[in-house]
Amino acid sequence: GAVVSQHPSWVICKSGTSVKIECRSLDFQATTMFWYRQFPKQSLMLMATSNEGSKATYEQGVEKDKFLINHASLTLSTLTVTSAHPEDSSFYICSAREIGSYSNQPQHFGDGTRLSIL
Amino acid sequence: DAKTTQPPSMDCAEGRAANLPCNHSTISGNEYVYWYRQIHSQGPQYIIHGLKNNETNEMASLIITEDRKSSTLILPHATLRDTAVYYCIVRVEGSSGGSNYKLTFGKGTLLTVNP
Repeated sequence: GAVVSQHPSWVICKSGTSVKIECRSLDFQATTMFWYRQFPKQSLMLMATSNEGSKATYEQGVEKDKFLINHASLTLSTLTVTSAHPEDSSFYICSAREIGSYSNQPQHFGDGTRLSIL
Repeated sequence: DAKTTQPPSMDCAEGRAANLPCNHSTISGNEYVYWYRQIHSQGPQYIIHGLKNNETNEMASLIITEDRKSSTLILPHATLRDTAVYYCIVRVEGSSGGSNYKLTFGKGTLLTVNP
């Protein structure tokens, strides 16, 4: 089945550093990938929609300059949390939609990246 | 997209059927019902989806009422590994791509399967 891989699965870093998270579709191509954030005991919140070869679409309240998204190929999207601070600590999850699939086909999710900013 | 209402939690005995309800009374004709689950500290896992007919796959069955205002996800023989938060999501199918395919997650139902 369709597999989405995220890397790293866990990262701890100092406040002020930038962190890059990768999302790869391993056995399919994805025109569209989605980035979510999940705080403890809360549901997933969509941050942005990543489109291959074009600018990402951010949800209301998500800072574009804070969360940089690049979708340079049909199998890779990256999320960079710039100048991360403790309040950015969260569980970041990506999902991908297979190119050319029927419109009702499901998205496939990665296993998430747990980010802890000290 | 239509909103959904799910009970916050449910319990089920191992080996018994787990029936998870979802209310989506404002669903419109072109909205599909999707079910995902999230096991602790993992990404969501797709379970099943449907439009108006009942659906079954290797994981579960989806029963959608005739008026489509509610649905039930059935796990026929729950195991301890089925303990997770189950999300019911309704979504319009867009033909223009991109953000039209986004999913909006509610709070879901925490299903606890007990030995």
